[in-house]
Amino acid sequence: ETGVTQTPRHLVMGMTNKKSLKCEQHLGHNAMYWYKQSAKKPLELMFVYSLEERVENNSVPSRFSPECPNSSHLFLHLHTLQPEDSALYLCASSQDLAGGRWEQFFGPGTRLTVL
Amino acid sequence: KNQVEQSPQSLIILEGKNCTLQCNYTVSPFSNLRWYKQDTGRGPVSLTIMTFSENTKSNGRYTATLDADTKQSSLHITASQLSDSASYICVVSDRGSTLGRLYFGRGTQLTVWP
Repeated sequence: ETGVTQTPRHLVMGMTNKKSLKCEQHLGHNAMYWYKQSAKKPLELMFVYSLEERVENNSVPSRFSPECPNSSHLFLHLHTLQPEDSALYLCASSQDLAGGRWEQFFGPGTRLTVL
Repeated sequence: KNQVEQSPQSLIILEGKNCTLQCNYTVSPFSNLRWYKQDTGRGPVSLTIMTFSENTKSNGRYTATLDADTKQSSLHITASQLSDSASYICVVSDRGSTLGRLYFGRGTQLTVWP
């Protein structure tokens, strides 16, 4: 395993539901990321946290709300999603930021289906 | 505009055969290039990383090459195995980014048949 875990692995929700995705890294890293992976599209960066502070919100709709209570945990709160939000959501961590010099380690992802 | 293009989009080969995947990028200023392997339903796992001064790097049956002048990279897989069936993603980072942002290709979906 990569040292980055995500729960749940699969999630089906209605458009009016509220759910949360959880990510935990056991690598002692300082930076954590949320990515969205849709079919036949490159990974899309959603949020970046460094030392628990959000350093980037990549024009993500407000129905996605991240939370980073400490350097080991990252959440993605979901509210009133749309069917087009169905995708694989990947969490990653790296030792630090700094221009991609540090390798990002990915979790297994949460497969989200919005009905 | 910083972009990463991969070809082919998909590839089917027989077990034991070799194959080469291509990656062209326009990311500048260049920092490094990684190849990731992503099994279905899993997160990507790094295979190799190369900086500007590196031309070739191997990881077992995987060999990556980099031509920084032409901004091209390739991933060569030797003696393919069924477990090589996966998506292979080329990822390029730039020196100008302080946010750890990476530029991802769409990936090449490789299927190895017995």
